[in-house]
Order: sequence, then C-alpha cells, then structure tokens
Amino acid sequence: GAVVSQHPSRVICKSGTSVKIECRSLDFQATTMFWYRQFPKQSLMLMATSNEGSKATYEQGVEKDKFLINHASLTLSTLTVTSAHPEDSSFYICSATGGATDTQYFGPGTRLTVL
Amino acid sequence: SQELEQSPQSLIVQEGKNLTINCTSSKTLYGLYWYKQKYGEGLIFLMMLQKGGEEKSHEKITAKLDEKKQQSSLHITASQPSHAGIYLCGADLRSQGNLIFGKGTKLSVKP
Repeated sequence: GAVVSQHPSRVICKSGTSVKIECRSLDFQATTMFWYRQFPKQSLMLMATSNEGSKATYEQGVEKDKFLINHASLTLSTLTVTSAHPEDSSFYICSATGGATDTQYFGPGTRLTVL
Repeated sequence: SQELEQSPQSLIVQEGKNLTINCTSSKTLYGLYWYKQKYGEGLIFLMMLQKGGEEKSHEKITAKLDEKKQQSSLHITASQPSHAGIYLCGADLRSQGNLIFGKGTKLSVKP
C-alpha cells in the first residue's frame, strides 16, 4: 500500500518556540493532505485540509496563525506549531490522498511535548 | 451528539473467540474506513467500504457496510493477541473529503 512518512516522530520543545512537522507521501502524489491531532485516549480530530498549491482550510476553533500549514508540493506538507504552549502537547497525524483511489493513508504520527 | 458512534468502547475477549465492533452514522456514509491503531502510534489501514451491502475480508477480519450505508461492522474471527489494539472507524460524509472518526474500540485479547 501507499506510504506516508512523518518527521520527526517525537519532539520536545520549550514553551514559546516553534516546531515544524513534515508529512511526505513517498510513492504517490498527494493532491490533498489532512492534519489531525489526537489527545490522550481520544479520537482523532481534523485540524485542517490542505490542497497542493492552495491555502489550507482550517476547522472551526483551530487557529490558522498558530498552526501554519504549507503544502508546497504534491509530496510534502508541513505543519508548524508557532509559539508552542504546553496545551499544544498532543499526537499529530497527517493523512494523504491522491492517485488512483480516494483511500486515505496515514503517517505514523508525531508526538509533541511542550515543556 | 456525535455524528459517528462506535461500540463497544472497550472489549476484552479470550483468545480464539469471535468479536464484532460496530460503527453507526447519523448520516449516509459515502465511504467507511476501518483502521487499527496501537495507542500513540499511526493508523494502519484495514479496509474501505463504499457500496451498500459491501463486504470485505482480510485474513480473519471482515467488514460490512449495510444496505442503507449508515452502519458498518467489523468482525474478527478466532481472535489472537496480535489483534489487540484500538480500532477506529472513519467516515467520509462528503463534507470536505476528510474523515470523521468514531471514538475507537480498545480491544484486548487474553491468551
């Protein structure tokens, strides 16, 4: 099946700093990428949808100036958490869709811990 | 109320037993995805169902989508410890192409 990678897998940062998370589709062109976050013992919640070359569409309640999303190519989307705070600590997962099917393939996730 | 209800929330079964997990939507499902997740890790794609009445199987796991396309069930036959994990259903409700997820079912299999 299609492969989606995420980097880094884990990151610890100090409050107030910015963190960039990369999501790559390794063997297909991802026309659309989604960013989800998951709090402990909760389901995944969609944060934003990004289409290659377009501005991301954010879900209600998600601050676009805080969670910067860039989808500059068909294989790469980045999520930057700006001025991170401890409440931003979470598990961030991206998914990508494209190619011959509408199947969404998920990355392995990035665990962000803000001290 | 939640658009996608998943039940049960948790399940403990003896190895070798069969089990079923259900996913019910308040809206018509245009696509229903089943994923498995080890807690804190990424999602492993299991199956996708799109047509009413569709049924797919992979090894000992079978997933069905009902004719009305509002409910799906995931059935595991002769469960094994390797089946343990969190099972998530994700629904394409044709809003933006993203998936809405159920809260997950935590499955434990006792050897």
